[in-house]
Amino acid sequence: GNSVTQMEGPVTLSEEAFLTINCTYTATGYPSLFWYVQYPGEGLQLLLKATKADDKGSNKGFEATYRKETTSFHLEKGSVQVSDSAVYFCALSARNNAGNMLTFGGGTRLMVKP
Amino acid sequence: GAGVSQSPSNKVTEKGKDVELRCDPISGHTALYWYRQSLGQGLEFLIYFQGNSAPDKSGLPSDRFSAERTGGSVSTLTIQRTQQEDSAVYLCASSLQGSGAGSLVETQYFGPGTRLLVL
Repeated sequence: GNSVTQMEGPVTLSEEAFLTINCTYTATGYPSLFWYVQYPGEGLQLLLKATKADDKGSNKGFEATYRKETTSFHLEKGSVQVSDSAVYFCALSARNNAGNMLTFGGGTRLMVKP
Repeated sequence: GAGVSQSPSNKVTEKGKDVELRCDPISGHTALYWYRQSLGQGLEFLIYFQGNSAPDKSGLPSDRFSAERTGGSVSTLTIQRTQQEDSAVYLCASSLQGSGAGSLVETQYFGPGTRLLVL
């Protein structure tokens, strides 16, 4: 079956530090890949997505590149801010009987200190 | 426009009682998904609706769980004879189509969730 593995948190960084959150996946076929973010007290929001190999998704300074050869979709940001503190979920979508249901990783909590 | 809404936002119930959770998707979205977010299991898929029908119910954890959707809009998730392990945040999401050639790139829009605590 499909699965997503992401690095466990929490990840604690100082403001303006470089961020990497690793994500690897296992899937049949050619899934789409997503990063969702959950800010404290809020619901899940789509951060970025990529639909085919070598695509790069980007939003709010975050980037992730769909690497088929390494089955990875690592999230990066060059300079984090306190407001980026949240839980980040890597996910994939693969067509099956359940439409485009999302399979999520376990989530990584990011804490950015001033 | 309005996003996905869920009610109640919080629910505390006693073990053995039945609960109903409600989801109002974004107007016009034909696909609706239920997920569960719990400490031990992370985010897991429960059930998917395309219109009013649910092609895949295999994600429901037991036969105590059921869901329906009427009029292609509102959905209710019912948990009968609740157990303590049912305590979790139940999330609903909707997307425009859910199937078809463009569906893999569709964004699923999530509601704020219902936090269920079974005592």
